Amino acid sequence: AQSVSQHNHHVILSEAASLELGCNYSYGGTVNLFWYVQYPGQHLQLLLKYFSGDPLVKGIKGFEAEFIKSKFSFNLRKPSVQWSDTAEYFCAVSLYNQGGKLIFGQGTELSVKP
Amino acid sequence: GAGVSQTPSNKVTEKGKYVELRCDPISGHTALYWYRQSLGQGPEFLIYFQGTGAADDSGLPNDRFFAVRPEGSVSTLKIQRTERGDSAVYLCASSVRVQETQYFGPGTRLLVL
Repeated sequence: AQSVSQHNHHVILSEAASLELGCNYSYGGTVNLFWYVQYPGQHLQLLLKYFSGDPLVKGIKGFEAEFIKSKFSFNLRKPSVQWSDTAEYFCAVSLYNQGGKLIFGQGTELSVKP
Repeated sequence: GAGVSQTPSNKVTEKGKYVELRCDPISGHTALYWYRQSLGQGPEFLIYFQGTGAADDSGLPNDRFFAVRPEGSVSTLKIQRTERGDSAVYLCASSVRVQETQYFGPGTRLLVL
């Protein structure tokens, strides 16, 4: 079965530190890739997405992610985190021939210390 | 414009009871998805609609779960004979078309006692 794996369950950083959250998926076909964020008390929001084209995609709030097809990875990065980035981050994959349903990773909780 | 809305925001019920959870998608969105999120986990797909028809219900855990979207807009997720293991946050998302970006609602937190 297809799956999405996020390597870190809980990451703690100080403000201005750099961030990289890992995401790997298991599916050999065409995929669309997403990172969603859930701030405390809020609902899931789209951070960025990859459908095709340039494998380096930029999202909101200074986040970016790189799709490396050979590694089945879609890691999220931010050069300098802020306290307001404290949230839970979910990587998700949709399979091209399966109607857009999303397969999510288990999530990474990010805590940024001021 | 208005986002996806879900009602109720919280629902507490007793084991064995029937519950209905409602989702109002973004106006004009033809695709609607239901997911379930247990504590400490990512959302898990349940079912999605393209228009009025359920295009894929492979994620429904058993026949106690059923969903409808009779007019191609509002959808209702129905759970019969609820069990304690059904306790979770039920999320709804909609997109302009299938395969497009999904926008999520705030969820309904269901607690089965």
